[in-house]
Amino acid sequence: EDQVTQSPEALRLQEGESSSLNCSYTVSGLRGLFWYRQDPGKGPEFLFTLYSAGEEKEKERLKATLTKKESFLHITAPKPEDSATYLCAVQGAGSGGSYIPTFGRGTSLIVHP
Amino acid sequence: NAGVTQTPKFQVLKTGQSMTLQCAQDMNHNSMYWYRQDPGMGLRLIYYSASEGTTDKGEVPNGYNVSRLNKREFSLRLESAAPSQTSVYFCASSEEGRSYEQYFGPGTRLTVT
Repeated sequence: EDQVTQSPEALRLQEGESSSLNCSYTVSGLRGLFWYRQDPGKGPEFLFTLYSAGEEKEKERLKATLTKKESFLHITAPKPEDSATYLCAVQGAGSGGSYIPTFGRGTSLIVHP
Repeated sequence: NAGVTQTPKFQVLKTGQSMTLQCAQDMNHNSMYWYRQDPGMGLRLIYYSASEGTTDKGEVPNGYNVSRLNKREFSLRLESAAPSQTSVYFCASSEEGRSYEQYFGPGTRLTVT
């Protein structure tokens, strides 16, 4: 059974204070690891897909990295508008050919001005 | 290009009432999904449809039914609502198969009294 654990559950930062969110996972045959951003009252919004250990992707102040056991979402010099819940999901080989992702519970990030 | 749309946005039901949540996507995706999101539980898959004409149970299917009406539309029905079904419901779509990110709708906030 695929498992995803995100930490911390909540994180408060001052504007400009860089930090990292962690996503630890166990999966049978990783096909993809996904990061999403979710604003209050809205649906998750896709950010990145990572496919193999060592891969990195960047978007503005966000950088996602991947190892064989975990992924990090690094936030550099965050701004208040980066406040959101960040979700991690993994997609494994699955049974019977299905590729249903497994989501973590998310990290709630608040950036204070 | 509206992406994934859901109706209604809010709904209040009494125990035992029935209702259908509607979802449509205009991205020509083959796969569609219904999730529920509860505080502290993360996103849990209710049902999914890998392609038009097929539906399968997810993690929490009890009390729900689905219909893949055509390639664009995927509805979720509650036949006899229970307070335990109070939640936020998200529809999502993706390309069929592995390693594809999901695109989520804005959600339906359902309260069952």
